[in-house]
Amino acid sequence: AQRVTQPEKLLSVFKGAPVELKCNYSYSGSPELFWYVQYSRQRLQLLLRHISRESIKGFTADLNKGETSFHLKKPFAQEEDSAMYYCALGAAGNKLTFGGGTRVLVKP
Amino acid sequence: DAGVTQSPTHLIKTRGQHVTLRCSPISGHKSVSWYQQVLGQGPQFIFQYYEKEERGRGNFPDRFSARQFPNYSSELNVNALLLGDSALYLCASSQTGGGYNEQFFGPGTRLTVL
Repeated sequence: AQRVTQPEKLLSVFKGAPVELKCNYSYSGSPELFWYVQYSRQRLQLLLRHISRESIKGFTADLNKGETSFHLKKPFAQEEDSAMYYCALGAAGNKLTFGGGTRVLVKP
Repeated sequence: DAGVTQSPTHLIKTRGQHVTLRCSPISGHKSVSWYQQVLGQGPQFIFQYYEKEERGRGNFPDRFSARQFPNYSSELNVNALLLGDSALYLCASSQTGGGYNEQFFGPGTRLTVL
């Protein structure tokens, strides 16, 4: 069975501080991991995917198969990063299994 | 392109009623997936359709059904509504049904069951 866990419901950081959102997964096959973001009053959108190994808006995420983790990091948080973040695991057929989400609040 | 569109935006029903939610994918996208998002939780996969065929089904009761039309739009139907069906229903489209194509989400339909 697939499962994604985001242990933090809320992360509150000051502008310019580092932020790390934790994501752990359970999956017997080869995982495809994603981070989705939902800004206030906007629809859910893809932030990044592990297979592309790129940095989007200063965010990076590394897949650690040994620890079954895909944590999202940004060295210097900005106020516009305040949003809801979801880690998701992809399986065949475009099925996504989402974690419960972490709300990030960046204070000025 | 307006992106994925869903209708209606909001809906209020009573227990036992039936509801139909609609989704129009991005032009050129042939796959549509449906998700249920209960307040405070992440989206949960319900169905995926590709080329009018069901390609995946989540752990939902048979009261939930869906279909995809020749123009690739889709409907989600829920019968015998329960209070627990109150949620935001999200539709997502992608170009194809296989692999890991990026899914583009609609704004959702907020269903309230009284």
